[in-house]
Amino acid sequence: NAGVMQNPRHLVRRRGQEARLRCSPMKGHSHVYWYRQLPEEGLKFMVYLQKENIIDESGMPKERFSAEFPKEGPSILRIQQVVRGDSAAYFCASSEPGLAGRYSYEQYFGPGTRLTVT
Amino acid sequence: QKEVEQNSGPLSVPEGAIASLNCTYSDRGSQSFFWYRQYSGKSPELIMFIYSNGDKEDGRFTAQLNKASQYVSLLIRDSQPSDSATYLCAGYAGGTSYGKLTFGQGTILTVHP
Repeated sequence: NAGVMQNPRHLVRRRGQEARLRCSPMKGHSHVYWYRQLPEEGLKFMVYLQKENIIDESGMPKERFSAEFPKEGPSILRIQQVVRGDSAAYFCASSEPGLAGRYSYEQYFGPGTRLTVT
Repeated sequence: QKEVEQNSGPLSVPEGAIASLNCTYSDRGSQSFFWYRQYSGKSPELIMFIYSNGDKEDGRFTAQLNKASQYVSLLIRDSQPSDSATYLCAGYAGGTSYGKLTFGQGTILTVHP
């Protein structure tokens, strides 16, 4: 059962270091979404990508955060110069594409990467 | 105003009872709604989705959507202790929102034996 895969599952970084989070979508899915869940807060959308395209990055912080989904390989969420406030669970989800923007196919979540910044 | 609001609970029901989880949304353009279950320390797991007004049943779960009232609910029949989790309601607005899901804060459900 090739579900959404994320690695690493746990990541510890010191302030100022870079964090790279990887996500491989479910087999047959071509769309990837990143969400962040801060402690005691809800899930917040960050970015939506297709292969080689960023479709919607309206939830990404303006600085230090970037995402990509190359033609080959997993999607990467990159956080530069991490700060303590970046400590959170980062979830990747994948789906089939929606129908002409009206409906969204179901999004299936990976196990998440728990980032701790010390 | 939050785009998707859930009754924060916590909600406690006895084993075998019906658990009712509610969600309201502010964006009238919202087209699709999803219910996820999240166990502590785990990732969200999709349990139901609904696009059309009315009821949709799947096993012990029934999702209800009323677009006129901007209201979504999830009923869990014959609740089991293993149903104890946080339940997340999410909406998709369509159009230029592309695939973005907006989540509520979640309702913590406890089913006690």
